[in-house]
Amino acid sequence: NAGVTQTPKFRVLKTGQSMTLLCAQDMNHEYMYWYRQDPGMGLRLIHYSVGEGTTAKGEVPDGYNVSRLKKQNFLLGLESAAPSQTSVYFCASSYSFGTSVGKNIQYFGAGTRLSVL
Amino acid sequence: LAKTTQPISMDSYEGQEVNITCSHNNIATNDYITWYQQFPSQGPRFIIQGYKTKVTNEVASLFIPADRKSSTLSLPRVSLSDTAVYYCLVAEGNTGTASKLTFGTGTRLQVTL
Repeated sequence: NAGVTQTPKFRVLKTGQSMTLLCAQDMNHEYMYWYRQDPGMGLRLIHYSVGEGTTAKGEVPDGYNVSRLKKQNFLLGLESAAPSQTSVYFCASSYSFGTSVGKNIQYFGAGTRLSVL
Repeated sequence: LAKTTQPISMDSYEGQEVNITCSHNNIATNDYITWYQQFPSQGPRFIIQGYKTKVTNEVASLFIPADRKSSTLSLPRVSLSDTAVYYCLVAEGNTGTASKLTFGTGTRLQVTL
């Protein structure tokens, strides 16, 4: 049981380059999330999706785009990378969001370490 | 958004009980408080979740006062393998809006012999 898989694990970009991070989950979860983690900042929500074909902005969406064409996949894109986007990116998924006990537990991937030079 | 705050770091000896508190004074009325553990180079993983009073599972206990503006994760008899960063996660403001999911700042727990 793979859970949440992120690719690639590491990437180095030059300023202005573009790239796409892929997240795949095999738990049939409706909700998927992209976070970034920076030293001293904890995890901050970039974008999320409440189901196939839907996406929404989180706390820090600027400079990123996302797509959820298939239920199991959630893609995070950087159109023109900037040094401020150097970070570790985590994808997560959950069965639902809200008050149902146990249903909104998020399962995380191992992360993608991105450096923008 | 009100910030969800935790102590930056804590130190403990093996075998002691460790209590980590998270302050979340703007928590959504109907949402749960969830705690995660993160080891280096890994994603966070679920530890425990609760709504009010006390919850206990095989690895931890979670204490939540009546006003729910804080929560305390309790790790009994920690071992070296409990050295990690611990995060609380709450929803702030109106329930059901994932954009207001707020992770705490994280507490780095160092356990030594």
